[in-house]
Amino acid sequence: DTAVSQTPKYLVTQMGNDKSIKCEQNLGHDTMYWYKQDSKKFLKIMFSYNNKELIINETVPNRFSPKSPDKAHLNLHINSLELGDSAVYFCASSHTSLGAQYFGPGTRLLVL
Amino acid sequence: KNEVEQSPQNLTAQEGEFITINCSYSVGISALHWLQQHPGGGIVSLFMLSSGKKKHGRLIATINIQEKHSSLHITASHPRDSAVYICAVRSGDSNYQLIWGAGTKLIIKP
Repeated sequence: DTAVSQTPKYLVTQMGNDKSIKCEQNLGHDTMYWYKQDSKKFLKIMFSYNNKELIINETVPNRFSPKSPDKAHLNLHINSLELGDSAVYFCASSHTSLGAQYFGPGTRLLVL
Repeated sequence: KNEVEQSPQNLTAQEGEFITINCSYSVGISALHWLQQHPGGGIVSLFMLSSGKKKHGRLIATINIQEKHSSLHITASHPRDSAVYICAVRSGDSNYQLIWGAGTKLIIKP
């Protein structure tokens, strides 16, 4: 069974559109994260939620809005997509904020 | 200078060789992670260490807190071990942030 799943795996869209990426974990973890992997393969944290509460909100455009309907889900909504938003986005979860992080397979976003 | 440095950046070896990847960090940490990123992009958490040594199959991870250094070893390497290996530290000042190394790209030739 998949521990951390993301949908969709691939997303190709045009500039200006609004899109969402969904993340679900079935591990019973309290903390979930969104990371963006840049062209140099660095992973940069964007957001982190602990028990549905936002605890990390790095400097990302406010076009990016995370939503956590419950502990098992952390979705990422992106408004007015720009070319520079093209990247691989990874969701992760951990039992507590100090625990090992388990990553989803990534969502490859391409903005044309 | 990055707070987390990995070496080497790229490593190509023959099947069966013993592999060592190094990670040095300059901040106080509460834990260090080793992760594996496959060519298709998926990331797998291999180890989380705060002291000593851990072993899982052919993988061994060690950490020396005094020297601020960790190593990941692969014994009897296999082409399926080809991946990017990433070291990430959890800063002692923050419970939430992970500081990432740039990764080591490992290629094992048959």
